Amino acid sequence: DSGVTQTPKHLITATGQRVTLRCSPRSGDLSVYWYQQSLDQGLQFLIQYYNGEERAKGNILERFSAQQFPDLHSELNLSSLELGDSALYFCASSPEGLTDTQYFGPGTRLTVL
Amino acid sequence: EDQVTQSPEALRLQEGESSSLNCSYTVSGLRGLFWYRQDPGKGPEFLFTLYSAGEEKEKERLKATLTKKESFLHITAPKPEDSATYLCAVQASSNYQLIWGAGTKLIIKP
Repeated sequence: DSGVTQTPKHLITATGQRVTLRCSPRSGDLSVYWYQQSLDQGLQFLIQYYNGEERAKGNILERFSAQQFPDLHSELNLSSLELGDSALYFCASSPEGLTDTQYFGPGTRLTVL
Repeated sequence: EDQVTQSPEALRLQEGESSSLNCSYTVSGLRGLFWYRQDPGKGPEFLFTLYSAGEEKEKERLKATLTKKESFLHITAPKPEDSATYLCAVQASSNYQLIWGAGTKLIIKP
């Protein structure tokens, strides 16, 4: 158990809908990362937050957005969902968000029908 | 362009048969190289971080080594529970994002 929690574990929704994925980092970690992993694909970095502020952006679509709240939990919002958005979404956290190790949560499996 | 390549894509071994997984990288300055293990449908689990050429780290049956161009994950006398996908990621000096390899799927047969 890495100490990173994600909810929900599974999410099934329809095309065009909007969903919110939630992540709580390890105690004391200030940085949160979001990744997407499609079937048999590698990890794709989406976005990073550090202490409430956006620090780095990867291949995140405009339909996706994220934020980190004062209690350091983070939410990833996915809107206008398409079939291709079906994937595992992982959250990771690290103490400083620079050269330190990232610890991953168990993931949220999103299925868009 | 910063890039990470893992080989082989898949590796099948008999229990007890030692082997190595490769992670080749091209980055403009290496801050660190990370190895993770991922079981199907689960989040990656951290194994090792290596920072400089010549560095080695060990954990149970796994040993990670680093040169200026590649890293090896050596697995000695593997057991079926070592079956997983092993992911390599590098952090370049140009930014702090991790660049991920596609992984090596390791299957250990009893």
